[in-house]
Amino acid sequence: DAGVIQSPRHEVTEMGQEVTLRCKPISGHNSLFWYRQTMMRGLELLIYFNNNVPIDDSGMPEDRFSAKMPNASFSTLKIQPSEPRDSAVYFCASRAPGQGGYGYTFGSGTRLTVV
Amino acid sequence: SQKIEQNSEALNIQEGKTATLTCNYTNYSPAYLQWYRQDPGRGPVFLLLIRENEKEKRKERLKVTFDTTLKQSLFHITASQPADSATYLCARGGYSTLTFGKGTMLLVSP
Repeated sequence: DAGVIQSPRHEVTEMGQEVTLRCKPISGHNSLFWYRQTMMRGLELLIYFNNNVPIDDSGMPEDRFSAKMPNASFSTLKIQPSEPRDSAVYFCASRAPGQGGYGYTFGSGTRLTVV
Repeated sequence: SQKIEQNSEALNIQEGKTATLTCNYTNYSPAYLQWYRQDPGRGPVFLLLIRENEKEKRKERLKVTFDTTLKQSLFHITASQPADSATYLCARGGYSTLTFGKGTMLLVSP
């Protein structure tokens, strides 16, 4: 298994531009999470999908952020328009079925820099 | 809010010694705690899960404890090696999601 696959690995963009981050979870995992990591705040949950349905998006900072999961093998996180304070490492993680009984498998992350 | 706190100072130990990392939580005990390892430029990697009704869990050189009275989990690495150097994250489990601490960096010197 290739694990959780995220793309791109690095993204540098100018303020005001649209940014789309992509994630392919592990086949058979039915929960998908988007986290953001910064030195100041650590890992913060942005949104959680279960069976492709958004369950908890309370961590999405504001309307500039949106996430979709059109099918079990693909999810996107979009920021429009991007701002310098969005600079962070964005991680996607997936988990096997079964509430709380399993650890998360994280992707390698996308390092986003907004200049 | 449900917080999870880890020592922000790096822990420096010598190879062969036991490393002990601390994780404290606030308010009610979570159903479970998880520990992850994160290397620079990589995503966290799951190590161990311990449930509220378990006192201790072991996996090879790793041991985790869960003390609901002290609201604390301890993570031990015995016979530590330089390859164990990394940041270790503690996370509390809710119904479906995890809340992570900021992690503690462990440095094992030869």
